Amino acid sequence: RKEVEQDPGPFNVPEGATVAFNCTYSNSASQSFFWYRQDCRKEPKLLMSVYSSGNEDGRFTAQLNRASQYISLLIRDSKLSDSATYLCVVNDSSASKIIFGSGTRLSIRP
Amino acid sequence: EPEVTQTPSHQVTQMGQEVILRCVPISNHLYFYWYRQILGQKVEFLVSFYNNEISEKSEIFDDQFSVERPDGSNFTLKIRSTKLEDSAMYFCASKTGGVSQETQYFGPGTRLLVL
Repeated sequence: RKEVEQDPGPFNVPEGATVAFNCTYSNSASQSFFWYRQDCRKEPKLLMSVYSSGNEDGRFTAQLNRASQYISLLIRDSKLSDSATYLCVVNDSSASKIIFGSGTRLSIRP
Repeated sequence: EPEVTQTPSHQVTQMGQEVILRCVPISNHLYFYWYRQILGQKVEFLVSFYNNEISEKSEIFDDQFSVERPDGSNFTLKIRSTKLEDSAMYFCASKTGGVSQETQYFGPGTRLLVL
């Protein structure tokens, strides 16, 4: 089983749509969870951290289910500028490395 | 806003040559990382560095790779004898402390092409 697994997409949705991404992780001892976004040929940038209670930042909502080892990201009212690859990221039980999923490509069409 | 910087942005080298990739982490950060991303693939952890020593490394980080922080600001990744399969984007990252919830901030990357 992959350490962090995501649906690669691509997701192609119209502007204004709601889109949801899912991610599963294999290490039950993982401590921290993040969503990053990566634009083409650019560095990953933090979108939001994911907390057990779920958290929201504007149009973005992240959820964590530790029992199922599952993380989700919901984007509401999608904009053209949301087009990017969304990376599910899990912090190993140590403080050292973070583990990236392969990413889910999102393309928003006008 | 403070940023991680990396130089050069692009490097082309011949197979077997040594390359040094440079990073300047954010100034008050204490934990430093190198990752690589082969074109079309996921970001992969290479090495983490704290208190002037390697704290963790991946299987990719073999004897051909080394890291150092020679002057307290630069953080370098050296590849001694490059191979074709070392062609990738190399990202440096840093964070303030050792708490896992803390965010790692990434530099813009160095695109390495080995011919």
